[in-house]
Amino acid sequence: KNEVEQSPQNLTAQEGEFITINCSYSVGISALHWLQQHPGGGIVSLFMLSSGKKKHGRLIATINIQEKHSSLHITASHPRDSAVYICAEGGETSGSRLTFGEGTQLTVNP
Amino acid sequence: SQTIHQWPATLVQPVGSPLSLECTVEGTSNPNLYWYRQAAGRGLQLLFYSVGIGQISSEVPQNLSASRPQDRQFILSSKKLLLSDSGFYLCAWTRLAGTGELFFGEGSRLTVL
Repeated sequence: KNEVEQSPQNLTAQEGEFITINCSYSVGISALHWLQQHPGGGIVSLFMLSSGKKKHGRLIATINIQEKHSSLHITASHPRDSAVYICAEGGETSGSRLTFGEGTQLTVNP
Repeated sequence: SQTIHQWPATLVQPVGSPLSLECTVEGTSNPNLYWYRQAAGRGLQLLFYSVGIGQISSEVPQNLSASRPQDRQFILSSKKLLLSDSGFYLCAWTRLAGTGELFFGEGSRLTVL
């Protein structure tokens, strides 16, 4: 079974800071998802990637298949970025199941 | 465009009462459907997933059940709720197993008293 670990568990930053959230997994995957959960509970998909790097606005997601590691970066962070960020993997052997990390609670202070 | 709807949004139920949460997907066919639960301060836990009508896989043994009576309808049920069933329930779908983008419903917050 694939294990997905995120770090840090909690992160507090000042507005404008560069933020990095890390995700490690133990078994080869077919896709790695980054999700954002707002205080109300709703979850939106930020990225899905299986190699390299993707960028959307101030968000950048990278993945290193050999090291089984992915990072989510936020440039010029803003208080509205405050949310829980979750990584999830769709494993090669997991069929239709997805394995989720525990999430990283990000708080960006003005 | 594809959308996913989940209801009810909030539910307060006494212990021992039944439960029915419904999820429907629009704008796509043959989606993979998932039910997740998120207990307070915890990560997402997969409860059930379905790759087709009538096909349900259970991840965690418990007093919950799921059904998929139609291609784009996924229902989470319980005959008798327990206190430990309280949590935030999320329905989600992908087009392809594990490789498609995830789309989540708005969530249903269940409090069992």
